[in-house]
Amino acid sequence: AQSVTQLDSQVPVFEEAPVELRCNYSSSVSVYLFWYVQYPNQGLQLLLKYLSGSTLVESINGFEAEFNKSQTSFHLRKPSVHISDTAEYFCAVSDRKETQGGSEKLVFGKGTKLTVNP
Amino acid sequence: DTGVSQNPRHKITKRGQNVTFRCDPISEHNRLYWYRQTLGQGPEFLTYFQNEAQLEKSRLLSDRFSAERPKGSFSTLEIQRTEQGDSAMYLCASSPRRGGHGYTFGSGTRLTVV
Repeated sequence: AQSVTQLDSQVPVFEEAPVELRCNYSSSVSVYLFWYVQYPNQGLQLLLKYLSGSTLVESINGFEAEFNKSQTSFHLRKPSVHISDTAEYFCAVSDRKETQGGSEKLVFGKGTKLTVNP
Repeated sequence: DTGVSQNPRHKITKRGQNVTFRCDPISEHNRLYWYRQTLGQGPEFLTYFQNEAQLEKSRLLSDRFSAERPKGSFSTLEIQRTEQGDSAMYLCASSPRRGGHGYTFGSGTRLTVV
């Protein structure tokens, strides 16, 4: 069984400060890794994903995450946050196992609420 | 591409009543998922369809829950004899194929059982 741990339930930061949201996972199989963002009163949006290749992946709005297999981590970082980044961020994993009818269902962490203050 | 549409957005019901939610996925997506999200938690997987076939169900999906996707397009999730513990956000998502392409989520249906 897979599990995801997001150690920080809330992260308050000031505008233009750097931020790191931590994510660790546990799995007995190879995984795909994702970060989703949920703005207030909206659905989940895919922020970025790691499938294979370069362990550093980037989003279009300045976030990046690095897959570290030895530490089973996929931490999310941004060097300078904006007020508009205030949202809840979810880390998720799905397995790569190629089974017929396999769902690739996502297992989510509990989320980290990022609050950017002026 | 109009995204994943869920209706209704909000539903308030009395305990013991039946409720039904609808999800319209992105038209070319053959994979459809239902998740449940309670306050302070991440979404939890409920069930998965590939076209019209329901291929996986979570243990969270008790016998009071049933989901269908009759023609491989829209899907419905019904909860019979609702309980207060069923209060949650019910999320639908769709995906075009395997390979870690991620999902497109709908905005969800928020159920409140009073």
